[in-house]
Amino acid sequence: SSELTQEPAVSVALGQTVRITCQGDSLRNFYATWYQQKPGQTPEVVIYGNNNRPSGIPDRISGSSSGDTSSLTITGAQAEDEADYYCACRDSVGNQVVFGGGTKLTVL
Amino acid sequence: EVQLLESGGGLVRPGGSLRLSCAASGFSFSNYAMSWVRQAPGKGLEWVSGISGNGDKTYYAASLKGRVTITRDPSKNTVTLQMNSLSADDTAMYYCVRDRYGAFPEYLQHWGQGTQVTVSS
Repeated sequence: SSELTQEPAVSVALGQTVRITCQGDSLRNFYATWYQQKPGQTPEVVIYGNNNRPSGIPDRISGSSSGDTSSLTITGAQAEDEADYYCACRDSVGNQVVFGGGTKLTVL
Repeated sequence: EVQLLESGGGLVRPGGSLRLSCAASGFSFSNYAMSWVRQAPGKGLEWVSGISGNGDKTYYAASLKGRVTITRDPSKNTVTLQMNSLSADDTAMYYCVRDRYGAFPEYLQHWGQGTQVTVSS
């Protein structure tokens, strides 16, 4: 299967911890890359490989993987974390990229 | 500074074709894989196609394979997406994206501002 499934929407209280998940068969073989997209902006990588953060991404954002599920965790969510988050991965065969449907994160 | 400038979008009739171009600058063009990613209004991201840094491998979304062709020209530092048999479902903003790596487009690092494609009669 080449599908990645995410929760459509998640909310978190300011300062609390939230986890966004991404499920798909291809995640058993390949790591997910996580993208953050704020309104009116282009996406930005926040997690890649095995829980790697690009420079400039705060360490309150972390990633993990188990079986067919990859997770993005924000510990101590801030207002600026409110955004759409997309996971992406190679498909099971490894010759195309598949995005999850995206999760809209609201920080209350 | 990495710069990606897309062009070629516009209004096209159903069944028509369009050729999108991406002019790249600010980096060693042949060292990086490139992709096209689209986003329909109010919808999520959809990867369309990718090409390796040296151009020897091309990759396509299964849903679009056969209707799109990606190429790159190292002499002009451009990436092109030829799209055929367009339908309303192809209406979206199309982004040119430079990868962090050179082989497979798995880290979509730098994004252009996009070119709008609208398919309508």
